[in-house]
Amino acid sequence: DGGITQSPKYLFRKEGQNVTLSCEQNLNHDAMYWYRQDPGQGLRLIYYSQIVNDFQKGDIAEGYSVSREKKESFPLTVTSAQKNPTAFYLCASSIGGAQQFFGPGTRLTVL
Amino acid sequence: AQSVTQLDSQVPVFEEAPVELRCNYSSSVSVYLFWYVQYPNQGLQLLLKYLSGSTLVKGINGFEAEFNKSQTSFHLRKPSVHISDTAEYFCAVTVYNAGNMLTFGGGTRLMVKP
Repeated sequence: DGGITQSPKYLFRKEGQNVTLSCEQNLNHDAMYWYRQDPGQGLRLIYYSQIVNDFQKGDIAEGYSVSREKKESFPLTVTSAQKNPTAFYLCASSIGGAQQFFGPGTRLTVL
Repeated sequence: AQSVTQLDSQVPVFEEAPVELRCNYSSSVSVYLFWYVQYPNQGLQLLLKYLSGSTLVKGINGFEAEFNKSQTSFHLRKPSVHISDTAEYFCAVTVYNAGNMLTFGGGTRLMVKP
């Protein structure tokens, strides 16, 4: 089945640690995105990538980093510089037509 | 830049009653519009989209939405809701040649009561 997978589903981080969230898609989509969702709020764009080896900052990129070495993979690293990382993280991909397809999400909690 | 406003943060409704979730957008150019649904602890699933053509768009699970350019609205409707429709609903907009960049509204929580 084609789709987007995110792992892990739940992730716990200690203060000062970097953690990496995985996002993989087998839809052959060129573009991939990372969003952050806080309780009762909409989605805010962290980073996006329109093509392999290229990515741009979104609205809230501070404290996050990404890479796009392969078309199907777009991992997100939450660094210790992100002061309030507890949130639900969603990965998406798209190819033309404007519609984005979403993964199931990763819930990150700082202990 | 475009923006999206979902006028109601929560909408309680009884089962089998009709519902309308409101969405207004602002943009100086032509837009594409979307409604997504999110069940607890899950990703977003596309309900329906307006790209062009007929202003009345039908989606999955019996939902439909009407694009009104003069009122810059894209309200979501369902004639009879079920308990299983309880979820968060997001309206989103993008513009031509925006590289598929979506702007989301703040979401509306639909609570269907028995």
